[in-house]
Amino acid sequence: GENVEQHPSTLSVQEGDSAVIKCTYSDSASNYFPWYKQELGKRPQLIIDIRSNVGEKKDQRIAVTLNKTAKHFSLHITETQPEDSAVYFCAAVGYSSASKIIFGSGTRLSIRP
Amino acid sequence: EAQVTQNPRYLITVTGKKLTVTCSQNMNHEYMSWYRQDPGLGLRQIYYSMNVEVTDKGDVPEGYKVSRKEKRNFPLILESPSPNQTSLYFCASSLSKGDTDTQYFGPGTRLTVL
Repeated sequence: GENVEQHPSTLSVQEGDSAVIKCTYSDSASNYFPWYKQELGKRPQLIIDIRSNVGEKKDQRIAVTLNKTAKHFSLHITETQPEDSAVYFCAAVGYSSASKIIFGSGTRLSIRP
Repeated sequence: EAQVTQNPRYLITVTGKKLTVTCSQNMNHEYMSWYRQDPGLGLRQIYYSMNVEVTDKGDVPEGYKVSRKEKRNFPLILESPSPNQTSLYFCASSLSKGDTDTQYFGPGTRLTVL
């Protein structure tokens, strides 16, 4: 079946440095790729998304890139701050998966002061 | 206030005792979904619904049932809970099919099956 692999599972970076999280998907028909942030004890919330007709999208310190040929997409956080500490999930959605939404296993990001 | 609500938020039960977790949204969303979250496994979709009376299996549907009699409600039913269903459950909704719209998650239900 379809799956999404996410790496790394844990990531620790110095405050102010950049963080990169990578995901690879298997369903070539996937056409929507959202990223969710889940703070401790809270619900997941969308932080950025990208559709298959776009290669890159940026929103302030957060950016997402998509390589459809290689079937991978990445989340980039620049100038990291303590409030960026959370678990981040990528997901892939596509028509061939009959509206299923497949999530990656998550990345726990810790920002060191 | 636009929101997705779930009840109960916490539940401890015993093996075999039927339970229902309710989910309701006030945003007139068509697409609703249930997930379970387990350490190291991320969010796994249990069931989803494209609209009233339209439901389909996600990746891990075994042991669960759902219904969508009204647009706003999407209850999750465990007919005979087992310990391996101990997990954190999230309901989510989006305006239309999940490939085009933001999913809004409920606050979560932590279920323990003894």
